[in-house]
This record gives sequence, C-alpha cells and structure tokens, in this order.
Amino acid sequence: GMPVEQNPPALSLYEGADSGLRCNFSTTMKSVQWFQQNHRGRLITLFYLAQGTKENGRLKSTFNSKERYSTLHIKDAQLEDSGTYFCAAEANTGNYKYVFGAGTRLKVIA
Amino acid sequence: EAAVTQSPRNKVAVTGGKVTLSCNQTNNHNNMYWYRQDTGHGLRLIHYSYGAGSTEKGDIPDGYKASRPSQENFSLILELATPSQTSVYFCASGEDNYAEQFFGPGTRLTVL
Repeated sequence: GMPVEQNPPALSLYEGADSGLRCNFSTTMKSVQWFQQNHRGRLITLFYLAQGTKENGRLKSTFNSKERYSTLHIKDAQLEDSGTYFCAAEANTGNYKYVFGAGTRLKVIA
Repeated sequence: EAAVTQSPRNKVAVTGGKVTLSCNQTNNHNNMYWYRQDTGHGLRLIHYSYGAGSTEKGDIPDGYKASRPSQENFSLILELATPSQTSVYFCASGEDNYAEQFFGPGTRLTVL
C-alpha cells in the first residue's frame, strides 16, 4: 500500500466546529510535517514534529512514530482554514526524503 | 523576504522543447528538492540534492534532470518536454539533521 495514507480525503465543517485529520504510515517514520495549501496554491508549514505533540493557536498535532500515525486537530474552525492539508513523513533512512499523503480538502462553511 | 523563490512562476512549453525551472534559496540550507503536484497525488519527489555539485534521483525522476551549481541554486531540466509533464512544480530547501522543509511558491508548467 501507499507509504502515507491520509484521511479523510475531503471534509466539510461548519464554522466553530472541531475536527481531526489523520495520517497512517506503512513503516516507522522519523518525522512528520503538516502543511496547509491555500487557495493560491502556496504551501504553508503548520508543524514539524520528530515526536510528541505541538500546539499553535487553534491547531494541535501529534506524531506517534511507534504506532505509525500523526494527527492534526483543528479547533473552532474558521473560514480561512479552508484549503488542502498535507502530511509529509520522513522515513528512517537518514536521507532527508519526504513522502507526502494525498491530502485532505477542507471546506469551512459559514 | 521570501527565502525560497522559483522562476518562472508560469510557463507554457511545446512538446519536445527544453524547459528549465529555477530555484533559489537564501536559507543557506544544504538540501534542496524538486516536487511535482498533480491532483490526487499530493507532492511527489523528482530530484534532490545534498549540496553544490550533488544531485540524487527521487521517486519519479524519469524525464527530468537536475543541476545544483551552487548552494543557493537548484534547477530542474526537462530536455524533451511532454504533455504528461504538465503540472505544478515546487522547490524546497532543508537543513541536515533537522529535516523540516521550506517551500517556494510553485511553478505552473503547461506542455502543449
């Protein structure tokens, strides 16, 4: 299967709602990054994690290398959160290569 | 000040023509990367580099060459462009031992 499986592929949320995105990995990964791609196509880095949990405002991300997954939680969704969210994972090969998930298209509805 | 820039931002090429996409970074990072993004595939790694003079094949290198003449510059070369190479191309840079990557704004390439 795909080394990085991202779910769900698409998601609609009402403003103010909470939700989570998830990436499952087929093998042990060394680190993970989460990006938001905005309506202009620009990739915005949200988090880089080698382990554990990080929070930034309404966003929170967790990376569990042993259990082979990472999550991105969005709290109190706002219209500007709309976009496509990608996770990218670095394999434990030490060559600094990332593999991307296929993305989650998020639409926040007023 | 943008740390990773790409040129051109948009390009229309003809089948069989040569296309060069350029990337410049001011992060002083050793590692640089070229990806393409197509609907339903996320980003896929084409070539990458560990420093000036180095190029490595990524996951989908066929039909592409890369050149890293300096720490700051990394080019992606399509010697004989084909319509299947129509895509959005992203360049990124990253440090050793801390693999967070920083992306450029992307180049939209259309091959007719």
